[in-house]
Amino acid sequence: SQQGEEDPQALSIQEGENATMNCSYKTSINNLQWYRQNSGRGLVHLILIRSNEREKHSGRLRVTLDTSKKSSSLLITASRAADTASYFCATKDSSYKLIFGSGTRLLVRP
Amino acid sequence: EAGVAQSPRYKIIEKRQSVAFWCNPISGHATLYWYQQILGQGPKLLIQFQNNGVVDDSQLPKDRFSAERLKGVDSTLKIQPAKLEDSAVYLCASSQGEGEKLFFGSGTQLSVL
Repeated sequence: SQQGEEDPQALSIQEGENATMNCSYKTSINNLQWYRQNSGRGLVHLILIRSNEREKHSGRLRVTLDTSKKSSSLLITASRAADTASYFCATKDSSYKLIFGSGTRLLVRP
Repeated sequence: EAGVAQSPRYKIIEKRQSVAFWCNPISGHATLYWYQQILGQGPKLLIQFQNNGVVDDSQLPKDRFSAERLKGVDSTLKIQPAKLEDSAVYLCASSQGEGEKLFFGSGTQLSVL
């Protein structure tokens, strides 16, 4: 069963704009991760945030985690056409499994 | 550093046939995962190995799917017999620790006709 659910399912923005994706999950987690998948390729790890962290940055990426609301958000600033991809959140629970959500499909228009 | 290697890249078979996928993880990674990704969905965990042992296979359809990881390195995933609903991309991933940052291979796209 899916642990995390991303919102929105699809997002279309203009190059240069910011993109925000949200992830909600159901049970307590050890960490939450975000991955990117370009069409027809494997997933690439973007960022990992642990349950005792609230915010993390990596280049143009900013991730927040609110364990009280069981939610996370991924912000991509100054988007580029190359950011067009599907983005997935994944949660690690106490059983050490990493469970993925259904993803947000991001289209960045040039 | 070499990434996760998977083969074949594509496979087309008829229903009721058998098929096998191979994965070579990143050297030194103790944890190996097989995920199934149906078009338009997120990856679904089929089986997770820690070294030679199975950590979780609760979503592996054991009547038709089997997986092994010999000597704690390479792994194979087999489907016998295949059904139409097995059409998907099969992704292998590895990590140093359980549930930590995963490195994915390019996947095997399976079409069952």
